[in-house]
Amino acid sequence: SQQGEEDPQALSIQEGENATMNCSYKTSINNLQWYRQNSGRGLVHLILIRSNEREKHSGRLRVTLDTSKKSSSLLITASRAADTASYFCATDPNTNAGKSTFGDGTTLTVKP
Amino acid sequence: DAGITQSPRHKVTETGTPVTLRCHQTENHRYMYWYRQDPGHGLRLIHYSYGVKDTDKGEVSDGYSVSRSKTEDFLLTLESATSSQTSVYFCAIGMGHGYNSPLHFGNGTRLTVT
Repeated sequence: SQQGEEDPQALSIQEGENATMNCSYKTSINNLQWYRQNSGRGLVHLILIRSNEREKHSGRLRVTLDTSKKSSSLLITASRAADTASYFCATDPNTNAGKSTFGDGTTLTVKP
Repeated sequence: DAGITQSPRHKVTETGTPVTLRCHQTENHRYMYWYRQDPGHGLRLIHYSYGVKDTDKGEVSDGYSVSRSKTEDFLLTLESATSSQTSVYFCAIGMGHGYNSPLHFGNGTRLTVT
């Protein structure tokens, strides 16, 4: 069963704009992670946010977590063409620790 | 990618044949994972390992077995390959000490079952 679901499925923006993608999940979690995948490559870890945290920053990335709504958002500010990739959220549920579940991803295209 | 190698990178095999994919790490991490990724989808966990000879099933383990006789190697075997197992297979290692630490992925093995 799929725990995390990203929204939108696809997003196309101009370079310099901000990109926001969302992740919703179904059960209580220990943490939520965001990953990036460039075409033909493995996933790259971006950021981890724990269930007792509400917001984290890493460079141009800002992640929020709302456990009451079971949702998270990833904001990429001042996007670049190199940010073009698929972005996945992964949740580590309380009841199934160690079995991170990935959503289907958001495909981001940043036009130069 | 630094520290994790998957082999082969590409494989074509026939239905009914056994196939073994290898994941090798150089960094002595305890946790290792096998995922599959199908077009337009995220990753689904097949099996994972939390130590030598310690493995557990993921959500799509049917038709797959794993072995970990050494810390550095995690093998995934398709006992009798089927067309539904055509996919890209990713190995990952847990970068921290706990089981919910960030994952570092290999570049994948593209498997085609004809």
